Amino acid sequence: KAGVTQTPRYLIKTRGQQVTLSCSPISGHRSVSWYQQTPGQGLQFLFEYFSETQRNKGNFPGRFSGRQFSNSRSEMNVSTLELGDSALYLCASSLQAMNTEAFFGQGTRLTVV
Amino acid sequence: QKEVEQNSGPLSVPEGAIASLNCTYSDRGSQSFFWYRQYSGKSPELIMSIYSNGDKEDGRFTAQLNKASQYVSLLIRDSQPSDSATYLCAVKSTGFQKLVFGTGTRLLVSP
Repeated sequence: KAGVTQTPRYLIKTRGQQVTLSCSPISGHRSVSWYQQTPGQGLQFLFEYFSETQRNKGNFPGRFSGRQFSNSRSEMNVSTLELGDSALYLCASSLQAMNTEAFFGQGTRLTVV
Repeated sequence: QKEVEQNSGPLSVPEGAIASLNCTYSDRGSQSFFWYRQYSGKSPELIMSIYSNGDKEDGRFTAQLNKASQYVSLLIRDSQPSDSATYLCAVKSTGFQKLVFGTGTRLLVSP
């Protein structure tokens, strides 16, 4: 059974650009959550999608957005990139949104220069 | 007060010893508790989940939950150098609530 797949694995962007990250959850999983991980802040929750609806959102600026498609695949977009957006972006999938185990993908390492 | 608190460590134990990792949480409505292991440069890997008060054992790992004290712990028996990693505690409330992570405890197991 395939795990959570995130693409691309590595990305280098320039300040002011925008970026789109992709996440394919485990087959049959309907919930996808996104996290930002930095050495100073740890794992910070960005948002969660379930059945194409955003169910929860963390304390990030509106430059961070996402969506989920009917096949449960999710994308995350960051516009007007800032140096501080450099981080590991992790996607986690769950069977349901409520109190079930979440499994992480390998992450996308974003570097903003 | 942070929602989920862990001692950052490092916690150093010799090979073969028991490693005890602790976590406290602030939301009394929390219902689900998870431990993840993260090796340097890798993504978090789920190793244990616990939902009821008491102990849950899986191989060398035992998770312990005490909701009255808002405390969850992870014991690793017969620690191995390969257990050296950062252990993240995660807590979730009911419904469509976010999974909140602690900052992690770094464990070092010396041969």
